[in-house]
Amino acid sequence: EIVLTQSPATLSLSPGERATLSCRASQSVSSYLAWYQQKPGQAPRLLIYDASNRATGIPARFSGSGSGTDFTLTISSLEPEDFAVYYCQQRSNWPPTTFGQGTKLEIK
Amino acid sequence: QVQLVQSGAEVKKPGASVKVSCKASGYTFTSYGISWVRQAPGQGLEWMGWISAYNGNTNYAQKLQGRVTMTTDTSTSTAYMELRSLRSDDTAVYYCARDGVWYSSGGFDYWGQGTLVTVSS
Repeated sequence: EIVLTQSPATLSLSPGERATLSCRASQSVSSYLAWYQQKPGQAPRLLIYDASNRATGIPARFSGSGSGTDFTLTISSLEPEDFAVYYCQQRSNWPPTTFGQGTKLEIK
Repeated sequence: QVQLVQSGAEVKKPGASVKVSCKASGYTFTSYGISWVRQAPGQGLEWMGWISAYNGNTNYAQKLQGRVTMTTDTSTSTAYMELRSLRSDDTAVYYCARDGVWYSSGGFDYWGQGTLVTVSS
């Protein structure tokens, strides 16, 4: 089973700053990586699929990059509504699909 | 618009079973699959399994094999997840999510609102 490790566990930033979240896979997942945002009491929301493709309706300030084992989610300029928990997910070598443990993006 | 609407919260005793439903609307149900994902309180996301709404093919997480069954009713565009022999560590919010029809896709683009299942004596 492929293990995804996200870092940092918690990221404290201010609105307007740039956020860089990392996801590392225990073996190559090619570009089969997605990113989700989850706010308290809500279901996850798909942001990025196949490493770098924004899902429908996702603002351009969200971007994804990487391939193989190292991936990055970048939020270019944080809006107040962006503070949430972010998860990465891989679908290479499915089943299973696995999720990272999450990065909490909090207001500094 | 695409919607996945799940059944309401459940409280079960250890050893019991629970069956959660997920009614889809706004798209052709049999052109997609459904994955089920659960989230224990304060924890991350755990994939439970997938079912194709086209042909009923399933793939389950290894740790749940033998305890979980996923089915669909194409006449009502509804997916079901049944979990048996419930334990306290099955307490979680259970989500359904739209997925690929032949295999898991690049991302779960629509999710249900979640169903809280509490297992307690």
